[in-house]
Amino acid sequence: EAQVTQNPRYLITVTGKKLTVTCSQNMNHEYMSWYRQDPGLGLRQIYYSMNVEVTDKGDVPEGYKVSRKEKRNFPLILESPSPNQTSLYFCASSLGVKNIQYFGAGTRLSVL
Amino acid sequence: GENVEQHPSTLSVQEGDSAVIKCTYSDSASNYFPWYKQELGKRPQLIIDIRSNVGEKKDQRIAVTLNKTAKHFSLHITETQPEDSAVYFCAATGDFGNEKLTFGTGTRLTIIP
Repeated sequence: EAQVTQNPRYLITVTGKKLTVTCSQNMNHEYMSWYRQDPGLGLRQIYYSMNVEVTDKGDVPEGYKVSRKEKRNFPLILESPSPNQTSLYFCASSLGVKNIQYFGAGTRLSVL
Repeated sequence: GENVEQHPSTLSVQEGDSAVIKCTYSDSASNYFPWYKQELGKRPQLIIDIRSNVGEKKDQRIAVTLNKTAKHFSLHITETQPEDSAVYFCAATGDFGNEKLTFGTGTRLTIIP
């Protein structure tokens, strides 16, 4: 079954404690991206990757890091989380930016 | 960079009536415009998209129109049904070298039975 898998689905953490949200896809997609969803602000792209070892900033990259060492995985790293990073995060993958984006189920993060 | 504005933020229509959601974009180089639907508690899913070489695209009760001159595009849903209730997002992306996907802020559509 074609899917994008995010883990964990829910996470509560404290300010400054490094965390990683994993994302994996089994569709051999080249394009992967991370979004955050906040009420009234829609979906905002954090980072995207066009292929292995190729990553670039989206519209809201501050405070986040990503890596793309393998085609299937695209983890999102928060080195020092702050309360303003409390949000719903989605990973997505596709053949390219102008193709259907397949979203993961989302990760709800709370930073206290 | 690209800026996408979406209106209205909320929309209520009687079942069976039509709904229209409008988006404007700022980057004249943008050439791909998808629409995503997000049901409550679920992930966004593509419902229709349009590329800049066409002015309109239809898929059953859903259609999207694009006006490149005015830099706006719209989602039209006809004969609305309760299952159309959701949040709808428009998005835009540009030409080669700009691989960002910029979304609008969303429209919460409620279908009144």
